[in-house]
Amino acid sequence: GDSVTQMEGPVTLSEEAFLTINCTYTATGYPSLFWYVQYPGEGLQLLLKATKADDKGSNKGFEATYRKETTSFHLEKGSVQVSDSAVYFCALSEPGGYNKLIFGAGTRLAVHP
Amino acid sequence: GAVVSQHPSRVICKSGTSVKIECRSLDFQATTMFWYRQFPKQSLMLMATSNEGSKATYEQGVEKDKFLINHASLTLSTLTVTSAHPEDSSFYICSAIQTSGGPGETQYFGPGTRLLVL
Repeated sequence: GDSVTQMEGPVTLSEEAFLTINCTYTATGYPSLFWYVQYPGEGLQLLLKATKADDKGSNKGFEATYRKETTSFHLEKGSVQVSDSAVYFCALSEPGGYNKLIFGAGTRLAVHP
Repeated sequence: GAVVSQHPSRVICKSGTSVKIECRSLDFQATTMFWYRQFPKQSLMLMATSNEGSKATYEQGVEKDKFLINHASLTLSTLTVTSAHPEDSSFYICSAIQTSGGPGETQYFGPGTRLLVL
């Protein structure tokens, strides 16, 4: 079945460091890919998404490119801030899958001043 | 826009009682809503998909008689945990999509309901 694999956390960075959170997927079709963020004590929020190969999603300085050849959707940010501390979830939904989301395990990011 | 609320935000109940959790889309009509369960420091597991006016579709391993889902209107879905037991203690999260159209529709998530069964 379809699945999403994320790098294990926690990831601990200093402010202004470069961030990469790896995400790879297994899917039978051509899924849409998402990154969701969960701040402490809050619900999930959509961070960015891409619906076809080579699309780049971007938001709040974060970006991720849909790479079909490597089945990846790695999340990157050039300079993290303390306020970026959260749990980040990579997810996919299959076309014809009624928009059901399959989530990765989540990666906790802690940014220190 | 696209705000989803849940009520209550947390609930403590005795074993054997039933608990109802509401999920509302506040500023849009949600043709489809989803219910997830999240254990501490783990990912979200989809429990069921509910479409307005029809029976919910449950994921494998989810007891439909224990987790009753009703999607009576385009802005409200409810999850009732019947005869709750301590192992049902978890964080329950709902989400909604605005249309059931093409692929890649964005799901908007509620803030979650923390259930503790004593």
